[in-house]
Amino acid sequence: DVKVTQSSRYLVKRTGEKVFLECVQDMDHENMFWYRQDPGLGLRLIYFSYDVKMKEKGDIPEGYSVSREKKERFSLILESASTNQTSMYLCASSLTGGNTIYFGEGSWLTVV
Amino acid sequence: SQQGEEDPQALSIQEGENATMNCSYKTSINNLQWYRQNSGRGLVHLILIRSNEREKHSGRLRVTLDTSKKSSSLLITASRAADTASYFCATEGRGAQKLVFGQGTRLTINP
Repeated sequence: DVKVTQSSRYLVKRTGEKVFLECVQDMDHENMFWYRQDPGLGLRLIYFSYDVKMKEKGDIPEGYSVSREKKERFSLILESASTNQTSMYLCASSLTGGNTIYFGEGSWLTVV
Repeated sequence: SQQGEEDPQALSIQEGENATMNCSYKTSINNLQWYRQNSGRGLVHLILIRSNEREKHSGRLRVTLDTSKKSSSLLITASRAADTASYFCATEGRGAQKLVFGQGTRLTINP
């Protein structure tokens, strides 16, 4: 089975802090994604990557950056956390386009 | 946007009944995928149906796709309490490698 592992399940950070959310997949997938999920807004794509060192903006990239130095790892970075970034963050991966996307368990981030 | 839109937003039925959820989208797609999410957890993939397919089955799940109407439905037969969850459809557009999700249907199965 594909496994997508998000390193932190629950985090509490202060406004202005730099936050790293880490995600690792174990199936040699080309594509990796970061979504955030908010009540009433569903899942919204922040960034995705289709290859090492490649990234593309999703629908809501403002306030976020990403890093993909190795194929199996995709990091989401909040340069200066703000309270409106309090949310559940979901990492996902797929072999390539047109294939099933597999999700991690999610990271609940609270910014105070 | 080709965001999928689920209907209804919430559905409550008795255990043993069938549950049907619908999804509509706006533009041409490569495939449409259905996911389940238990409260506070990640999404679990259920079925992927490609644009040239009309129906797929997996256990008690049946998915149909009508590309002429830009719609899909998910049928869960003989529902169980464990089916209580939110269900999302997501579409992958032509030439895209990402999924766009709908708002989801909250399904409650009453014992």
